[in-house]
Amino acid sequence: SVLTQPPSVSGAPGQRVTISCAGGSSNIGADYDVHWYQQIPNTAPKLLIYGNNNRPSGVPDRFSASKSGTSASLAITGLQPEDEADYYCQSYDKTLSGDEIFGGGTKLTVL
Amino acid sequence: QLQLQESGPGLVRSSQTLSLSCTVSGASVRGDSYWSWIRQPPGKGLDWIGYIYHTGSAYHNPSLKGRVTLSVDTSKNQFSLTLNAVTAADTAVYYCARRYSSNGNYFDSWGPGTLVTVSS
Repeated sequence: SVLTQPPSVSGAPGQRVTISCAGGSSNIGADYDVHWYQQIPNTAPKLLIYGNNNRPSGVPDRFSASKSGTSASLAITGLQPEDEADYYCQSYDKTLSGDEIFGGGTKLTVL
Repeated sequence: QLQLQESGPGLVRSSQTLSLSCTVSGASVRGDSYWSWIRQPPGKGLDWIGYIYHTGSAYHNPSLKGRVTLSVDTSKNQFSLTLNAVTAADTAVYYCARRYSSNGNYFDSWGPGTLVTVSS
């Protein structure tokens, strides 16, 4: 994937975890916005964060995100069992690698 | 409330054509959004296939090398995907989604997905 995420992260209930999304000068570094999705197993992805750090209605404020330079990150505080899911970042790339690009995904395990 | 629902065959023979439709309810495909297809091979991540505007203006992932055709039927409030010359690598869950533009472009509503298996 053009956007690189760690394959997995884990944390105990109540803890804080972060998931990184590393891009390059043709996508995140070119000032394109980053968005995040949560995918519970066997369900469709759900928009979690849009426009780098905005939460859609209904998403708890335990979820936050930031962007800096050529990378972005998602933070989850007060980890809960229902947060166990796959998380994907998404941005735009101006090269021939494709207009819309996703990170490879990160599996979050709540211990 | 916006809802999307994919439909089409769950099994396609290798070298044949995959055809899927997405029915939109709760919004008009004539709205100011692009209507999108995204797929996910079993156990893998998300891949953007392409999207189309109600005028017929469409963009697709160059990696699909011209095998993709997108269309929209405003009278049925549907949009469709055709993928030619499929191989086992095209086996995936196919999602339709709305690409919304505000603070960037993102996929704010998704269908439940439909599994398409390419058999030899």
